[in-house]
Amino acid sequence: EDKVVQSPLSLVVHEGDTVTLNCSYEVTNFRSLLWYKQEKKAPTFLFMLTSSGIEKKSGRLSSILDKKELFSILNITATQTGDSAVYLCAVGPANQAGTALIFGKGTTLSVSS
Amino acid sequence: KAGVTQTPRYLIKTRGQQVTLSCSPISGHRSVSWYQQTPGQGLQFLFEYFSETQRNKGNFPGRFSGRQFSNSRSEMNVSTLELGDSALYLCASSLRGYFGETQYFGPGTRLLVL
Repeated sequence: EDKVVQSPLSLVVHEGDTVTLNCSYEVTNFRSLLWYKQEKKAPTFLFMLTSSGIEKKSGRLSSILDKKELFSILNITATQTGDSAVYLCAVGPANQAGTALIFGKGTTLSVSS
Repeated sequence: KAGVTQTPRYLIKTRGQQVTLSCSPISGHRSVSWYQQTPGQGLQFLFEYFSETQRNKGNFPGRFSGRQFSNSRSEMNVSTLELGDSALYLCASSLRGYFGETQYFGPGTRLLVL
């Protein structure tokens, strides 16, 4: 059965800390891995990774994929209170048409000032 | 450009009833996917529609169904509601639902079944 596992489930840090969120997957015919941030309702897209070893960066956020070990990490440096959210990892299997995604249960990040 | 809109935003139903939720994708987007989010199971894929055809389906019972109209708006229906159907229902749209395209999520419909 295809699955995506995120760790830790929750995390509390102080402003300015650096955090690393983990996502491991077991999916038939992997196609892509995506990270989303969910603050209140709608998840917002952060990154899509398809190639191993290539880091994607956006400001203080970065992510990398290891297709051999079947995992990805999301790094957030110099955290701010506005980074408090649920971070979701999702995998798109290649054997499914369209946009079907398999999501992990998320990591809840709380950043205190 | 307006984002994905979903109506209604909140809904309370009782067991055994049926419910219809609506999703309007971003203008020009033709692929609409539906997801169910619960605290226990997280986000789970329900189905995807493209050009009025269901292109993919997740592992949900037949009580969950959907359709898409010629203007790409989509509806999902849940019949014979059960307590476990209480969840946040999210829809997401993309241009064609092709590999590499970003999905944009709507704010969701919060369904409570009593």
